[in-house]
Amino acid sequence: AQSVTQLDSQVPVFEEAPVELRCNYSSSVSVYLFWYVQYPNQGLQLLLKYLSGSTLVESINGFEAEFNKSQTSFHLRKPSVHISDTAEYFCAVSAAGGTSYGKLTFGQGTILTVHP
Amino acid sequence: NAGVTQTPKFQVLKTGQSMTLQCAQDMNHNSMYWYRQDPGMGLRLIYYSASEGTTDKGEVPNGYNVSRLNKREFSLRLESAAPSQTSVYFCASRIDRVPNTEAFFGQGTRLTVV
Repeated sequence: AQSVTQLDSQVPVFEEAPVELRCNYSSSVSVYLFWYVQYPNQGLQLLLKYLSGSTLVESINGFEAEFNKSQTSFHLRKPSVHISDTAEYFCAVSAAGGTSYGKLTFGQGTILTVHP
Repeated sequence: NAGVTQTPKFQVLKTGQSMTLQCAQDMNHNSMYWYRQDPGMGLRLIYYSASEGTTDKGEVPNGYNVSRLNKREFSLRLESAAPSQTSVYFCASRIDRVPNTEAFFGQGTRLTVV
């Protein structure tokens, strides 16, 4: 079985400030890691993913996430946020083996609100 | 490209009524999923279909049934709606079960059961 815990349900920040959204996971098998973003009244869309190789992955809009195997974490960061980053962010894992093979499990979500 | 299309977008049901949520994808994906989203709970998997002709239960299947009508379509049925099924429902698809692939989501169906 696998599980995902997002440690903050809401994160308010001011525009141009840095932000970190925390994600920890638990799994008995290897996993692939994802961050999805949901803008108001929309479906989820992929922000970035870690599959293998470099533990630091980046998105096209300035977000980055670092895979830390020893701490089973995949925290999302951005050095300077914009108003348009206001959204709900979901961490997700997908099992690479076992009975949960391919199943995509989501965390509870973190609502990021960027204030002017 | 339409991607994943869900109908309807909004629905209000009375307790005990039945309805079917429709989902179709035009990306030739093999795997399709139904999730429900509730505040503070994230997305929870109701049912999934790894490939045409197969369906499996997820975390919260009670009160729901599914049909994988063909490769494109995956419907979710509530036989006797209950207020606890008030939620936002999302359909998603992936090219297949391979775990490193991206999931594509529909716009959601907001269901209220009164």
